[in-house]
Amino acid sequence: QAQLVQSRAEVKKPGASVKVSCEASGYNFIGNYIHWVRQAPGQGLEWMGWINPDTGGTIYAQKFRGRVTMTRDTSINTAYLDLNSLRSDDTAVYYCVKSSSWSGDWFDPWGQGTLVTVSS
Amino acid sequence: QSVLTQPPSVSGAPGQRVTISCTGSSSNIGANFDVHWYQQLPGTAPKLLIYRNSDRPSGVPDRFSGSKSGTSASLAITGLQAEDEADYYCQSFDSSLSGSAIFGGGTKLTVL
Repeated sequence: QAQLVQSRAEVKKPGASVKVSCEASGYNFIGNYIHWVRQAPGQGLEWMGWINPDTGGTIYAQKFRGRVTMTRDTSINTAYLDLNSLRSDDTAVYYCVKSSSWSGDWFDPWGQGTLVTVSS
Repeated sequence: QSVLTQPPSVSGAPGQRVTISCTGSSSNIGANFDVHWYQQLPGTAPKLLIYRNSDRPSGVPDRFSGSKSGTSASLAITGLQAEDEADYYCQSFDSSLSGSAIFGGGTKLTVL
């Protein structure tokens, strides 16, 4: 069945960048969308944007535009999330999720999450 | 502040029935976007619980059910069990945000 496996936890200093990977298996990678969702400690879920693995097209939530880049490598069925100019409030677990479309459909499955800690 | 509003917490005794509401507006739930629900057990990633307002993925017990009406949706859990203690999130999309995904703030379910 469909599975998403993410890269391991990262610790970064303020102002640095982080790149999180998300390897897909068990389904047609280029036939579905990958969305990214984050969750700060003790907080709710926050949608960051999506990438169409087939075309490379992206849409980012307004809050993250200018700081986020989503890319993919179809040769290894992997999506990436790049977030730069990190601040302490970017400390969160970052999840990649599969969806059948860019808008309207549900998120399933979820990756296991990647904890990014921003601290000096 | 979340675009979709959920109660921060609900509780019930084992065997009881609880409901969790998810209130939106005319630009999201009321605009005919479907509502999906996720269960997040402590220390784990969220898991799809209900999709397309009321459909259950295989493996989800029929104790869980969803409904949608107007600008709101609800998740009902009957026959509460200790293992149901978790955070629950509703999710939809919003036309005023260019079709962006939106989440409720989450509801902590405590089984007494």
